[in-house]
Amino acid sequence: DSGVTQTPKHLITATGQRVTLRCSPRSGDLSVYWYQQSLDQGLQFLIQYYNGEERAKGNILERFSAQQFPDLHSELNLSSLELGDSALYFCASSVVAGTPFFGQGTRLTVV
Amino acid sequence: GDSVTQMEGPVTLSEEAFLTINCTYTATGYPSLFWYVQYPGEGLQLLLKATKADDKGSNKGFEATYRKETTSFHLEKGSVQVSDSAVYFCALSDQAGTALIFGKGTTLSVSS
Repeated sequence: DSGVTQTPKHLITATGQRVTLRCSPRSGDLSVYWYQQSLDQGLQFLIQYYNGEERAKGNILERFSAQQFPDLHSELNLSSLELGDSALYFCASSVVAGTPFFGQGTRLTVV
Repeated sequence: GDSVTQMEGPVTLSEEAFLTINCTYTATGYPSLFWYVQYPGEGLQLLLKATKADDKGSNKGFEATYRKETTSFHLEKGSVQVSDSAVYFCALSDQAGTALIFGKGTTLSVSS
């Protein structure tokens, strides 16, 4: 158990809908990262937050957004969902300049 | 930009065979290097890491040495087990605290 908690574990939704994925980092970790894992793209970095502020952006679509709250948990919002958004979404957390530890992921299926 | 290249899989071995999974990287500066493992149906787990040249990371019988001269971080294990069957990802972090850049992953299948 990495100490990073992601909910829900599985999510099935229809095209055009909006979903929210939640991540609770390890105790004491200020950095949260979001990744998308798909068969064709592999593991893609989406976005990083540090202590509530956006720190880095990767290949995140405009339809996607994220935030980190004062209690340090983070949410990834995916809207106007398309079939191609079906993937495994991982959250990771770390201390400052530390090694990222990953959650179990949320498997999103868009039908 | 920075990148990681892993050998293509799948890799199929018999139990107790020697394992090597090649990983090379391109980066400016001095990245930290990682191997993560993903067992079927699970998330990514840190297997080992190295933060500077000539460092050797090791864990659960797996080893990898940070070779700056060849920009490589190959994963090795002397005797694999069926339970090692998983997908292995090589990754780098180009600066402290920045997001990891992953290779495409190598699937290892070990049969008894």
